[in-house]
Order: sequence, then structure tokens, then C-alpha cells
Amino acid sequence: EPEVTQTPSHQVTQMGQEVILRCVPISNHLYFYWYRQILGQKVEFLVSFYNNEISEKSEIFDDQFSVERPDGSNFTLKIRSTKLEDSAMYFCATQIQGNTEAFFGQGTRLTVV
Amino acid sequence: GESVGLHLPTLSVQEGDNSIINCAYSNSASDYFIWYKQESGKGPQFIIDIRSNMDKRQGQRVTVLLNKTVKHLSLQIAATQPGDSAVYFCAENKAAGNKLTFGGGTRVLVKP
Repeated sequence: EPEVTQTPSHQVTQMGQEVILRCVPISNHLYFYWYRQILGQKVEFLVSFYNNEISEKSEIFDDQFSVERPDGSNFTLKIRSTKLEDSAMYFCATQIQGNTEAFFGQGTRLTVV
Repeated sequence: GESVGLHLPTLSVQEGDNSIINCAYSNSASDYFIWYKQESGKGPQFIIDIRSNMDKRQGQRVTVLLNKTVKHLSLQIAATQPGDSAVYFCAENKAAGNKLTFGGGTRVLVKP
């Protein structure tokens, strides 16, 4: 069964450092998302990406965050200068056009120290 | 404001019994309501969805009920199995391809 792959599975970084989280979407999917989940809380939307541009972003997705699809396959989330409160699980999700089922990756656990 | 905390509502159910998980939603403009299952250490996994113009939809061992009058969504799991132990989230979106807005989760613990 096709799946969304995220790397790394766990990233520890110092406050103020830049991190890049990577996602390989399912090959024929056209809608890409990043969500995050702070420990014990619900999953929160960060950003959606379609046709090589951001289609929607949340209040959380401020100037410190960016997304891109640099090589037409990987979908990345960059946090420029991490803060302690960025510590969370970050999930990439993808959808095929016209279908409500979003496929989530296993997540990257980001720990900012 | 949103409720924040480390404790999820928990439903303990005997193996073989039926489970009912409830969710209240707020956005009447949502087109789809969806249930996701999240096992420990994994990403959410789609279970079933229902369009806003329906009130019931059945899948394999699962049934989703939508009551738009009281903005209530429920997931019924028939003959609950140990593999059903997980956190269950309801979610909504305005249209296929749009972002998901998740509700708070419910932890289901299946007792042997």
C-alpha cells in the first residue's frame, strides 16, 4: 500500500537553529499539508500546498515557517529559528484530487532544547 | 478558547462490545465530517467520512452518524477488538482537498 514517508523520525535541535522536515508524498497525490500535534493535544493545521504554491495557512504558520517542493517529489517544512514551543510532532499529509481521504505520514518528533 | 491539556476523555470497552465515540462540531459550513484513528507513535489514519447531506454511513464494522440539528457526530465500532485501541479524532473540512480541522480526541481502551 502506498504511504507517505517522513524523515527524520526524531529531530533534536537547539533553540534558534533552523530545521528542515522532509516528506515524500504518495506519487499521484496533488494536495499536500503539514500539521502539528503538541503532546497530548489535537492535531492542528499549519499549511496546505497545491500546484506549487501555498493555498492556505494557519496563524501558527508565521514568517519563521516555509514550505517548498524543491525537486518535484520531496515536500519540505522549514522552521528558520526554532523556539521551545515549536516542540511537537509534525505530520505531513497528502490527498489525491477530489478525495477527502488524507494520508498521513508517521510524523517527525521535533524537540527544541 | 480551546481546551488544552494532557488528558483525553477515555472510553474503556470490553472486547466484543460495541463502542460509541462522540464529537461535537461547530462549523455548520463544513461539507465533510471525518473520523481518524491514531495509534501510539503513528500518524492519523482515515476511518470513514460522511458528507453533510447524509445522516448515516456504514463501513466495515464502523458506522458514522451525523445529527446536524445538534451539530453532533458519532462513530460506532461494532464488536470492538484489541486492535481498535487508539485515540479517535473527529475532523471536518469544507470541501475535498481543503484543510482538516480536528476536534479533541477520545482514547479507546479495549479490555480483554
